[in-house]
Amino acid sequence: QKEVEQDPGPLSVPEGAIVSLNCTYSNSAFQYFMWYRQYSRKGPELLMYTYSSGNKEDGRFTAQVDKSSKYISLFIRDSQPSDSATYLCAMSAGFGNEKLTFGTGTRLTIIP
Amino acid sequence: DTGVSQDPRHKITKRGQNVTFRCDPISEHNRLYWYRQTLGQGPEFLTYFQNEAQLEKSRLLSDRFSAERPKGSFSTLEIQRTEQGDSAMYLCASSQLAPREETQYFGPGTRLLVL
Repeated sequence: QKEVEQDPGPLSVPEGAIVSLNCTYSNSAFQYFMWYRQYSRKGPELLMYTYSSGNKEDGRFTAQVDKSSKYISLFIRDSQPSDSATYLCAMSAGFGNEKLTFGTGTRLTIIP
Repeated sequence: DTGVSQDPRHKITKRGQNVTFRCDPISEHNRLYWYRQTLGQGPEFLTYFQNEAQLEKSRLLSDRFSAERPKGSFSTLEIQRTEQGDSAMYLCASSQLAPREETQYFGPGTRLLVL
């Protein structure tokens, strides 16, 4: 069993819809949780990071962490075609300065 | 600063050949990481450096792989006697440990195809 599980999709939604992306994990040592966006043939781009449990909002993006359930989510409001990409969750035991463990990524397409 | 850069962006080689990739981190970033990403998978950790010291190596990093960061700035990743299973995207990331911690910023990657 992988330490981090993520539904690979693909996921297609109409423009303007709310998108929900999720990951589950098994390693209780994970304290820092990140979401990266990756366009085709490009490197991952950091979207958001969260420490421990709680919510964090940045514009149209909201990240949620529930450590008791070992479950994290990323919500995208008012989705745009430019949001079409692969979304990767990543986790580490130390803040960003130790190795990241990634999910497989969810491929998202926003349909105009 | 233009971010993390990697060279070459693409490499095609024949099985058994050696290849070397270069990564230039964001200026003054103390830590530098190498990851490997195969199609349909997330990046997998290979190794990381703090300044010039290599602090951790994954079991994925076989004896055919070697990484260096000789002066604590750029880093190279060499693969000897390449195999078809080495075909992947090799990603470099950097982060700043001091004066404050930051998370990892990735480069565009080097895509390797072993024929």
